[in-house]
Formats: sequence, structure tokens, C-alpha cells
Amino acid sequence: ILNVEQSPQSLHVQEGDSTNFTCSFPSSNFYALHWYRWETAKSPEALFVMTLNGDEKKKGRISATLNTKEGYSYLYIKGSQPEDSATYLCAFQGDSNYQLIWGAGTKLIIKP
Amino acid sequence: DAGVIQSPRHEVTEMGQEVTLRCKPISGHDYLFWYRQTMMRGLELLIYFNNNVPIDDSGMPEDRFSAKMPNASFSTLKIQPSEPRDSAVYFCAIGQGHTEAFFGQGTRLTVV
Repeated sequence: ILNVEQSPQSLHVQEGDSTNFTCSFPSSNFYALHWYRWETAKSPEALFVMTLNGDEKKKGRISATLNTKEGYSYLYIKGSQPEDSATYLCAFQGDSNYQLIWGAGTKLIIKP
Repeated sequence: DAGVIQSPRHEVTEMGQEVTLRCKPISGHDYLFWYRQTMMRGLELLIYFNNNVPIDDSGMPEDRFSAKMPNASFSTLKIQPSEPRDSAVYFCAIGQGHTEAFFGQGTRLTVV
């Protein structure tokens, strides 16, 4: 059974502070690791698709790292803003098919 | 998300009625996915198609659920008969190979 775990489940962060959270995934048969941002009442929006061990991607104040050997990825948000409030989902993609195995998400709430 | 149009956006129906959800993806993507989102289970993959052919429907909860993709620009998810526990947000998403998935805005289904 493929298991993708995210922690913490929820997170309250003061505006202006930086934060990070984790996605753990199987270290075998890895092809890609996806990060999505999901705001309430909207559809999930892709942030990053990462395929290489040691890869680091950045989009504005958000960045992500990938360790495929140990099976984890970190998502970092620098200088949190209220608009960063959302649920952040990661999804594992194996090399045998295209199916995405989703984590339960980290719900981030930025306090003004 | 303009690449995936779902209809209706909201559907309220009585238990026992047939419900048909529609998805119109833009062309150029080989994969189409149907997901269901609930508070209890998060985002679940129901079925996905590759070049209009159903590949994996193991996520379809029961025989009451069926999905079709008659051509590259149209797919339907049908529930017959519907039950209150089917109430959820249903997302259609498209992808191309091992790249990010683009989601529609979803259909919020309420079965009373």
C-alpha cells in the first residue's frame, strides 16, 4: 500500500513569519512529487512538480526541496501573508503509471 | 483552470435520482481524471482515462458510479441511483504524461 503523509495537519502562523511543512512518500519506484495549493471553494492549483533527488524549486516566496532516497519533501513559505492561507497538498507519482497518490494536506492559517 | 470546464457547478438532487456530471477539457492532454473530495477522505481518485480509454477505475466506490469519455473533449461521471453519502465535490482534472494536473472548478453535489 502506497502511503503519503503530510505533517503537521494544520498550522497557525503569524503574518510575516516563515514556515515549513513536510511530505513523506515511498522511496521506491519514484517518478515525481507534486505540490498543490488548495484554497477554500477553489480547485487545487499546481505549485511544483519535482523529479530529481536534491532538486529545489522556487516560486516567489514559496520553495520546495526533494529527497527521494529518504522519501521526503519540504515546502517553505518565507514571510507568510494572509493570502497564503490554504491547504497545501502533496502527491506522489510512481514510475509504473500516472496515478497521483495524495497526502491529506497541511492546512495553513496565517494570523494577521 | 480555464482549460477544464465542469458543469453544473452545483447540483442538489433527491436520493434515488440519476446525476450526471460533465467535464469539458481543452485538447492536447492525454489523461483525464475524476476525483471526489470529502471532509472525511480528502481527495480521492475515482477513475482516469488515457486517450479516452478508462485505465483504472478501482477508485469508483460502487456499481452505481460510471464514467465515460466518448471523445477527447468530453467526459461524464454518472451516479444512478444517488445516495446522501455521495454528497461531495467532484473534480475533473487533465494531465499530459508526468506533468502537473490542471483541475476544473468542481461540481458540488448534494443528495438529500
